[in-house]
Amino acid sequence: GAGVSQSPSNKVTEKGKDVELRCDPISGHTALYWYRQSLGQGLEFLIYFQGNSAPDKSGLPSDRFSAERTGGSVSTLTIQRTQQEDSAVYLCASEEANYGYTFGSGTRLTVV
Amino acid sequence: SQKIEQNSEALNIQEGKTATLTCNYTNYSPAYLQWYRQDPGRGPVFLLLIRENEKEKRKERLKVTFDTTLKQSLFHITASQPADSATYLCALTGGTSYGKLTFGQGTILTVHP
Repeated sequence: GAGVSQSPSNKVTEKGKDVELRCDPISGHTALYWYRQSLGQGLEFLIYFQGNSAPDKSGLPSDRFSAERTGGSVSTLTIQRTQQEDSAVYLCASEEANYGYTFGSGTRLTVV
Repeated sequence: SQKIEQNSEALNIQEGKTATLTCNYTNYSPAYLQWYRQDPGRGPVFLLLIRENEKEKRKERLKVTFDTTLKQSLFHITASQPADSATYLCALTGGTSYGKLTFGQGTILTVHP
């Protein structure tokens, strides 16, 4: 597609439930990134996929967070047993050849 | 520890003036530095990239400088317009963080008519 697509755009979930956030990157972009942005805060790196290499998971805040990228394209970020502190906007970006990220519009997650 | 600081949380200027935003970093050996614009409720949009061996980059009304001795980048918007009002983010990659960008907190720019 023309841009990075994220779904859902908004998600309200109850504390303790699992959620899945989806990212559809730009076709052909080999790198895919997940960040989160809490209200009034900067972007916090979560995880990074580059081609067929093992993902860089160094930013995942706890083992409740995991992500996969199937077929080098679509990625899913899963948060298990959600907590209120997980409430944030989750942003996905893709990149080709170290020349600037293209971000999606994000998924706003609210844990109640 | 690695740190990126955007000196002004908010900057207010008059239409037509040049806006200058500052990004300082410590404990980095950046391979390259990028600037993004973010509007409320939207993801950041890439504006410019400058590499460690480049001093200056320009794109239309935008200019970025990169001083690896001072560990600083300046981002200029000339002939500013109210439509330039947004949050501007600088981001770095390099050294142990190579391959992923680390973002500053951003500067909220407001251009008054």
